[in-house]
Amino acid sequence: GENVEQHPSTLSVQEGDSAVIKCTYSDSASNYFPWYKQELGKGPQLIIDIRSNVGEKKDQRIAVTLNKTAKHFSLHITETQPEDSAVYFCAATLLGQNFVFGPGTRLSVLP
Amino acid sequence: EAQVTQNPRYLITVTGKKLTVTCSQNMNHEYMSWYRQDPGLGLRQIYYSMNVEVTDKGDVPEGYKVSRKEKRNFPLILESPSPNQTSLYFCASGVRAGGYEQYFGPGTRLTVT
Repeated sequence: GENVEQHPSTLSVQEGDSAVIKCTYSDSASNYFPWYKQELGKGPQLIIDIRSNVGEKKDQRIAVTLNKTAKHFSLHITETQPEDSAVYFCAATLLGQNFVFGPGTRLSVLP
Repeated sequence: EAQVTQNPRYLITVTGKKLTVTCSQNMNHEYMSWYRQDPGLGLRQIYYSMNVEVTDKGDVPEGYKVSRKEKRNFPLILESPSPNQTSLYFCASGVRAGGYEQYFGPGTRLTVT
């Protein structure tokens, strides 16, 4: 079955700097890769996603890149702000059925 | 307001006492799913349902049951809870046509003693 690894487990950046979180997946058939943000005491919230037929997707300060050959995808956050501090999860799925999540990255944006 | 609701939000129970965690969504989503979240392990899928009367196992289904008799509801049943099922549980729903986005509920913190 699918296995998703995520690095780093914790990340601290200065406000205004960029943050990058990387995930690798094992099943080359996976075709949908979402990223979720989880704030303390809340459920995960989708922030951006990418399908296997696209190499990059951007939404304001957030972007995701996908390298199908290497089977890895990354979340890029530019101009970080204190409200970006949260736990971020990547996931992979084939056809939106069984979702496999990475273990998460705790991002701290220092003022 | 479009949302996924779970009840109860907090539950402390004893080993072997059957319990049900309810999940309901008001967005007419076909897809619903249950996850458990444990420190360092991320979210692991327990069961999912593509539509009414259709359910499939996720990665960690042992010790859990689900049913999907109505489109809006997807209860999680623990017939004989054990301490290793102490966890934070999330229900999610989504529309599959055109995308696989999932919307998560607020979570249910379960403690089994």
